[in-house]
Amino acid sequence: DAKTTQPNSMESNEEEPVHLPCNHSTISGTDYIHWYRQLPSQGPEYVIHGLTSNVNNRMASLAIAEDRKSSTLILHRATLRDAAVYYCILTPGNTPLVFGKGTRLSVIA
Amino acid sequence: ETGVTQSPTHLIKTRGQQVTLRCSSQSGHNTVSWYQQALGQGPQFIFQYYREEENGRGNFPPRFSGLQFPNYSSELNVNALELDDSALYLCASSHPGLAGRSYNEQFFGPGTRLTVL
Repeated sequence: DAKTTQPNSMESNEEEPVHLPCNHSTISGTDYIHWYRQLPSQGPEYVIHGLTSNVNNRMASLAIAEDRKSSTLILHRATLRDAAVYYCILTPGNTPLVFGKGTRLSVIA
Repeated sequence: ETGVTQSPTHLIKTRGQQVTLRCSSQSGHNTVSWYQQALGQGPQFIFQYYREEENGRGNFPPRFSGLQFPNYSSELNVNALELDDSALYLCASSHPGLAGRSYNEQFFGPGTRLTVL
């Protein structure tokens, strides 16, 4: 499985944008980039995914580098409810999710 | 639409015992995956069931086994419990796909916290 590298932790102020980076230099052409997050005492939840183009949904935006070796999850206005562990996962789409340790995001009021 | 539910919420067992964990998938989902999450780690894939058949397995010993029922609910069974089996066990269901493939957006339940003493 292709590996991803994420910072262990990040901090943001409430109402500010947050950019969560993910490096995946060994990504293959068929790998989708998925982001999940896990709120305290809950199971992971899907955030967004993309292949080559940037993607937007109601939760976040995903910016994918032109060479696809890195991506950034963007939360446009962090709220206290966004405090969670964020996982960047590569998968061709029909394989189990392989989670790393993710990035623990703290949001300060 | 009911989400993924798991039971029990918490469970305490002793070494050598057997345990059964249960999962009800989200309505319309025919694929269920099980994950083990140790404290401070990301979830690790145990196995997946698609239409009542095992459809992939992670690096877990045979004492971890499962079932999927005609209504797509699922069980995870662990025999001969060890201390290292203490973890959060997560169940995830996914949308049906074409020709047996499943889209990778998975919907997770809240998990069962298993403690082995």
